[in-house]
Amino acid sequence: KNQVEQSPQSLIILEGKNCTLQCNYTVSPFSNLRWYKQDTGRGPVSLTIMTFSENTKSNGRYTATLDADTKQSSLHITASQLSDSASYICVVSDRGSTLGRLYFGRGTQLTVWP
Amino acid sequence: EADIYQTPRYLVIGTGKKITLECSQTMGHDKMYWYQQDPGMELHLIHYSYGVNSTEKGDLSSESTVSRIRTEHFPLTLESARPSHTSQYLCASSGPDSREKNEKLFFGSGTQLSVL
Repeated sequence: KNQVEQSPQSLIILEGKNCTLQCNYTVSPFSNLRWYKQDTGRGPVSLTIMTFSENTKSNGRYTATLDADTKQSSLHITASQLSDSASYICVVSDRGSTLGRLYFGRGTQLTVWP
Repeated sequence: EADIYQTPRYLVIGTGKKITLECSQTMGHDKMYWYQQDPGMELHLIHYSYGVNSTEKGDLSSESTVSRIRTEHFPLTLESARPSHTSQYLCASSGPDSREKNEKLFFGSGTQLSVL
């Protein structure tokens, strides 16, 4: 069964600290993995898209890694800010560059305290 | 960044009412989607469209219907709302991105529906 599992379910950190969110998937065939940030009451916003051949990708303070062999991805947030408080969703696609079937994780709810 | 708009943002209605959730995008994307999301849960695809006059049901059984008469417009209709329809509804569209070789998915801000 194709699944995307994220951990932890929720996380609280202090402003300025780093954190790492995990995503494990069993989707096959695998095409690409996406990380989204979703603020409360808003739609998700894309952070990174990684294909099979990419091991790491950065977007400002966000760095995503992908290990396609172990089917694991992580999202590392550096020097967290209060505005980073949001749900971070891992999404896996099973097709090529055109959008295929998408499998969504339940997200990690990150809270950054001052 | 995303030119995709949903109205209304919030809607509280009584059981049995007919409602239409609006979604429009100005990016010229052929593909559009409706997702349903409950708190702390994953997004579930309820409808999608790959172009004008093309609509398909998604993975999650839904009593809603959609239409795609124009490329930019993808409304979702509930003929008779029930409390079980209370949820957040997210519209999305996908298309090529100049910075990515993979198609990018853009979401609207969502409609939070409460049926009393």
